[in-house]
Amino acid sequence: AQKITQTQPGMFVQEKEAVTLDCTYDTSDQSYGLFWYKQPSSGEMIFLIYQGSYDEQNATEGRYSLNFQKARKSANLVISASQLGDSAMYFCAMREGHRDDKIIFGKGTRLHILP
Amino acid sequence: DAGVTQSPTHLIKTRGQQVTLRCSPKSGHDTVSWYQQALGQGPQFIFQYYEEEERQRGNFPDRFSGHQFPNYSSELNVNALLLGDSALYLCASRGGGGRGNEQFFGPGTRLTVL
Repeated sequence: AQKITQTQPGMFVQEKEAVTLDCTYDTSDQSYGLFWYKQPSSGEMIFLIYQGSYDEQNATEGRYSLNFQKARKSANLVISASQLGDSAMYFCAMREGHRDDKIIFGKGTRLHILP
Repeated sequence: DAGVTQSPTHLIKTRGQQVTLRCSPKSGHDTVSWYQQALGQGPQFIFQYYEEEERQRGNFPDRFSGHQFPNYSSELNVNALLLGDSALYLCASRGGGGRGNEQFFGPGTRLTVL
């Protein structure tokens, strides 16, 4: 069965520093996709970045990059030059197969950016 | 271009009642998924609708049902409400082609069951 593990319930980071949010996953499928979402206090889930299991390069989207280590089943999110507006809950998620909408989410990490 | 919209924003019901939540997908999107997010947890997949049919379902009882209309909008119905149904209900949509891996989420409906 799919499983997403986020071991950091909360993190405090100084503004402008880089931050790494950990995520490990478990699946028996060869084809899968990994996502990171940001959820501010307003509740809306904001898509940040996607990595396909067959993608050879790590995904990047602006200040976000995904450190994909397939053998370790790890998909850490790296946020460079953190900003106060980055304070939010961050969820790692996975789907098995192609275009499957049954996405499994981790429990999340609450990130606090300190001025 | 409007994103995913949901209504109502908040809702308070009592145990045993029935509730209907509504979702309009992002323009051009034809697939709608529903998620339940309990306080302090990640969202859990309820079901997905495509071409007016339920295509996938998560581990939720039959009290949870849905519908998709020809304009791709969708409803989530929950019967015989329990206290444990209190949660944020999120709707997500996606379309074919391009960044088809990306689901766009709505702001959610916060349901409180008393």
